[in-house]
Parts: sequence; C-alpha cells; structure tokens
Amino acid sequence: ELKVEQNPLFLSMQEGKNYTIYCNYSTTSDRLYWYRQDPGKSLESLFVLLSNGAVKQEGRLMASLDTKARLSTLHITAAVHDLSATYFCAVVPNAGGTSYGKLTFGQGTILTVHP
Amino acid sequence: NAGVMQNPRHLVRRRGQEARLRCSPMKGHSHVYWYRQLPEEGLKFMVYLQKENIIDESGMPKERFSAEFPKEGPSILRIQQVVRGDSAAYFCASSPGGGPYNEQFFGPGTRLTVL
Repeated sequence: ELKVEQNPLFLSMQEGKNYTIYCNYSTTSDRLYWYRQDPGKSLESLFVLLSNGAVKQEGRLMASLDTKARLSTLHITAAVHDLSATYFCAVVPNAGGTSYGKLTFGQGTILTVHP
Repeated sequence: NAGVMQNPRHLVRRRGQEARLRCSPMKGHSHVYWYRQLPEEGLKFMVYLQKENIIDESGMPKERFSAEFPKEGPSILRIQQVVRGDSAAYFCASSPGGGPYNEQFFGPGTRLTVL
C-alpha cells in the first residue's frame, strides 16, 4: 500500500523567514502534486512534478522532486501572511499497476505565518 | 469554460437519512474520482468512474455507499442511512482520461453534516 508522509504537520513561521516542507512516499512514482487548501475551500493545484530532478517555482514557493529518494520538498522563501493555508502533496504510482491515476495524499501541513 | 461543479455545497442530514451528492465534471471530461476528507485529515480516495462504469471502488466503505456516473447527467455519490461518522467534506475531481498521466481538477466539495 502506498504511503505518503509529510512533515512537519504543523508549521508556525514568522514573516520573512524561510522553511521547507517534506513529502516522502513509499513506492515508485514520477508524478507528484502539491496543493493548497484554505479553510472550508477546495484544493488549488500549485505544482505538478513529472520527473526526477524537476524543480518548479511560483512566487515564494519552490517545489522539487527526487524520485530516487522518493522525496519532494516545498520550499517557502520570505514567508508572508497570505501563504497561511494547509499544503498537501499527493502521489500517483507509476503506470503498470492498477492505480488508475488515483491520488494518495499526505496528511497535510498546516502553515501559519505571523508577523 | 466552467470548472468541476458539485452540489449541494452544504448538506445537513439526520442519522438514518440518505445523502445524495452530485458532481458535474468539466466539459470534455469523462472520468470522475471521488475523495473524502474527514476533519483534520488529508483526502482519501473512494471511487473512480467512467461514464456508465465503476472502474475502481477500492476506497468505498462496503456498506451504505454507492456511486454512479450515468451516460447523461452528473456523477452521484449516495450514502444511505447516514451516521455521524459520515460527516466530512466530499470532493470530486474530473480528468480527460484515466491513468496516471492526466491531471485531475477538483470541485469545490460538498460538506456533509450528520446530526
């Protein structure tokens, strides 16, 4: 069974600081997603990482994927209050099995950015 | 181009009643996934459907839950004789194809409260 683990689960940051959220997964995959969820809202797609070594950046967020280590990171640079939300990674196992593309999510990281 | 639509957005039921949740995929999408998010948890896969077919229902509880995606009309997730533990947010996602190489687009969710 595919397991996806994020850490930390709770992250309290000061504005202006940097931090990294980690996402480990237990089976081969070369497709990983990062989502943002605000309270009571749906999931907003942030990044799709498709291959080993992939790095994508959008504003203050940068995501990377190391398929050999089965690890993805979401790095936050110079945090601002607007980034406060819950962040999820989600993994699709490689084709060849019967995953049918279903996503397995991490537990989520609740990020709070305060002055 | 409308996104994935779900209704109702909020649903309140008493124990023992039935709940029907609807999902209209994006235009041109014929694949639908349902996920459940329990309070303070990540999303968990329930069922994957194509038009008129259930492809993977490995995440569905064995009793009281059913899903369909008819040739015409929305996909429906039906919960019979609801219990308090069914209180959760239910999200559907649609994609243009199945398998791991098609991105899923999420709807706004239906928040079910069982009294």
